[in-house]
Amino acid sequence: GENVEQHPSTLSVQEGDSAVIKCTYSDSASNYFPWYKQELGKRPQLIIDIRSNVGEKKDQRIAVTLNKTAKHFSLHITETQPEDSAVYFCAAVNQAGTALIFGKGTTLSVSS
Amino acid sequence: KAGVTQTPRYLIKTRGQQVTLSCSPISGHRSVSWYQQTPGQGLQFLFEYFSETQRNKGNFPGRFSGRQFSNSRSEMNVSTLELGDSALYLCASGGYTFGSGTRLTVV
Repeated sequence: GENVEQHPSTLSVQEGDSAVIKCTYSDSASNYFPWYKQELGKRPQLIIDIRSNVGEKKDQRIAVTLNKTAKHFSLHITETQPEDSAVYFCAAVNQAGTALIFGKGTTLSVSS
Repeated sequence: KAGVTQTPRYLIKTRGQQVTLSCSPISGHRSVSWYQQTPGQGLQFLFEYFSETQRNKGNFPGRFSGRQFSNSRSEMNVSTLELGDSALYLCASGGYTFGSGTRLTVV
């Protein structure tokens, strides 16, 4: 079945630095890749997504890139702020389009 | 519009008991998916319902079951609870919007 690998598992940066989280997926039929942010005790919230017909998407300080050939996608956060501290999950939709397969998550800590 | 509503928010059960969790999706959404979140295994897909039909099921034992009603509300049931079933159970409406979850503790 589909598998999603996510790295790193933890990431510590200084406020204002950039943060990059990388994921790889196994099912070449996957065509939708959302990213979620989960703060402690809260629900996962969709922060950005990308479809397989697009190579890059940007929303203010957040951007996602997709390399279909290599089957990997990345989340880029620029000018990090303490409120960016959270666990970030990447995901890929399975071939049937009925389930999200998640990476194990990255705990991002932004210190001021 | 209202978000995804999951009830109850917290639940404590004893081993061997059964439990039923509820999820009301966003109005108009016909798909409801369920996920189990644990520190060790992360977010794992349980099953997905669309218009009262289960379209997909994850790799969980038969003790985990679900259903969806004609108003799109969904329930999931876990029978013969085990300590390892302690987790945050999340439902997703329309595939991608999560509710706040039900925190199940099995003692």
